[in-house]
Amino acid sequence: KAGVTQTPRYLIKTRGQQVTLSCSPISGHRSVSWYQQTPGQGLQFLFEYFSETQRNKGNFPGRFSGRQFSNSRSEMNVSTLELGDSALYLCASSSPAGSGDTQYFGPGTRLTVL
Amino acid sequence: AQSVTQLDSQVPVFEEAPVELRCNYSSSVSVYLFWYVQYPNQGLQLLLKYLSGSTLVESINGFEAEFNKSQTSFHLRKPSVHISDTAEYFCAVSDPGGYNKLIFGAGTRLAVHP
Repeated sequence: KAGVTQTPRYLIKTRGQQVTLSCSPISGHRSVSWYQQTPGQGLQFLFEYFSETQRNKGNFPGRFSGRQFSNSRSEMNVSTLELGDSALYLCASSSPAGSGDTQYFGPGTRLTVL
Repeated sequence: AQSVTQLDSQVPVFEEAPVELRCNYSSSVSVYLFWYVQYPNQGLQLLLKYLSGSTLVESINGFEAEFNKSQTSFHLRKPSVHISDTAEYFCAVSDPGGYNKLIFGAGTRLAVHP
């Protein structure tokens, strides 16, 4: 079974721009979660989607948004990029979808904001 | 609110020596506990998890962790490490009723030297 895939793997943007990251979960998985990883703040939960609905959200500003499609693929969007948004963005999928289920992580998208 | 403290940011150890990576958590409710490993330029992989039952859980590659409710700890141990165990290790908790939201510790970098 193919793992979680994230595209693109690397991205360079400038302040003020917006960016969209994509995540394809493992086949059959319906829950997708997003995390931000930075050297200063570590791994922080952004949000989680299940069956196209956001079920949980972390403490991030409204510039961070996401969505999930009917095939469970998910995208996250960051508008008006700031230097502090430079990070590795990880998505994870799981099934069925309870908090004890194993989350399988993708390799991440490394975003650099200049 | 839940939080996770990993007491050591870096742990150097010689090959074939035993190692313990410490993790303490804080929560007003029962939790699920996880250890994830991250190799350079990769996403996170689950090592092991505690949901309920036996307080000692084992992974397929020789790691084990023991849930200690009275000390709110979930330390990770391996009796004999290999060079290939060099990686960053993250302890995480989730709320059984909180869907797929993982709260991570800051991570412990394990460096195995020959």
